[in-house]
Amino acid sequence: GQQVMQIPQYQHVQEGEDFTTYCNSSTTLSNIQWYKQRPGGHPVFLIQLVKSGEVKKQKRLTFQFGEAKKNSSLHITATQTTDVGTYFCAVLGGGFKTIFGAGTRLFVKA
Amino acid sequence: KAGVTQTPRYLIKTRGQQVTLSCSPISGHRSVSWYQQTPGQGLQFLFEYFSETQRNKGNFPGRFSGRQFSNSRSEMNVSTLELGDSALYLCASSITYEETQYFGPGTRLLVL
Repeated sequence: GQQVMQIPQYQHVQEGEDFTTYCNSSTTLSNIQWYKQRPGGHPVFLIQLVKSGEVKKQKRLTFQFGEAKKNSSLHITATQTTDVGTYFCAVLGGGFKTIFGAGTRLFVKA
Repeated sequence: KAGVTQTPRYLIKTRGQQVTLSCSPISGHRSVSWYQQTPGQGLQFLFEYFSETQRNKGNFPGRFSGRQFSNSRSEMNVSTLELGDSALYLCASSITYEETQYFGPGTRLLVL
């Protein structure tokens, strides 16, 4: 079945440093979504990308969809302690099944 | 607009028992998906319902079942609980499957 590999599994950064998480697939993706889950919370939708090479920004967050639509990245500029949590990529697979990556847990040291 | 609600929020059961979890989607949302979240396995897809029909089921044993009612509320049932069923069970609703999914707070199940 369809799978998405997400790296790294964990990332420790100093507040103010940048952070990037990557999501990769062996097959072409029709779309990719990104979610954030705060510790003790539930996943919250951030964004969906559908076009090849698409780049979207939300304040300090930049989302990219690869030209071949097989990979995506989420980049956070100048992390803050409020960015702490786990970031998941997800794919709306065929047959009404959403496949989530394993997530990247971000730790930010003040 | 009220968000997705799940009841109960916490549950402790013993092996062999069964459990029913409930999910009330956002008003107007007809697609409801369920997920199991564990530290080791991440977010695993359980099922997706739309207009009372299960359109897909994840790779889980038959002990996991669910249903959706005409008002889009959904329930999932786990029979003959095993220790490995301890997890956070999340439901998410969307207007249609392709739209943004909104997650509920989850039900944390502990099986002893």
